[in-house]
Amino acid sequence: EIVLTQSPGTLSLSPGERATLSCRASQSVSSSYLAWYQQKPGQAPRLLIYGASSRVTGIPDRFSGSGSGTDFTLTISRLEPEDFAVYYCQQFGGSAPYTFGQGTKLEIK
Amino acid sequence: QVQLVESGGGLVKPGGSLRLSCAGAGFTFSDYYMSWIRQAPGKGLERFSYISGSGDTIHYADSVKGRFTISRDNAKNSLHLQMDILRVDDTAVYYCARGVILDYWGQGTLVTVSS
Repeated sequence: EIVLTQSPGTLSLSPGERATLSCRASQSVSSSYLAWYQQKPGQAPRLLIYGASSRVTGIPDRFSGSGSGTDFTLTISRLEPEDFAVYYCQQFGGSAPYTFGQGTKLEIK
Repeated sequence: QVQLVESGGGLVKPGGSLRLSCAGAGFTFSDYYMSWIRQAPGKGLERFSYISGSGDTIHYADSVKGRFTISRDNAKNSLHLQMDILRVDDTAVYYCARGVILDYWGQGTLVTVSS
């Protein structure tokens, strides 16, 4: 089973700042099969990024994904108030089980 | 537009059973893998089961294998989850989601297992 470790667990930043969230895999993951999700309190998760770097239609361009192999990053260039949420990475390559990281909580400083 | 609506959650005693459903609309249901994901209170996400569009490929995580059964009825655009031998640690919000990349999610249904 591929384990995804997200860091930091909690990130405290102010609106307008840049956020960098990390997702590290225990073994290599094809970039095609790495996605990022945003979850706000009381809501279902929402897909932001798939294929490690492709933004879903309608997602603002301040969100970007990068990485390959075992190291992936979600960057939010200039934080807006609505961006404060929990972010999860997920891998779904090869054989199951498909796994999520434990999440990074992005909170207002 | 794509819609997924879960139903069937509720309170059940340990050892009991529950059947969840997920109704899909706005897309060709049979074209897509469908998954069940759960989230225990205050915890992260667990993708514990999926089924292919035709139903011939099914996967279960070890945590539910032998207790839960996923199925689908493409004629009715519906996904189901039969949950048996429920345990306290099955308490969670249960989501259905579309496709391999989980591009659309339902709003979730709460399952509480407690005596």
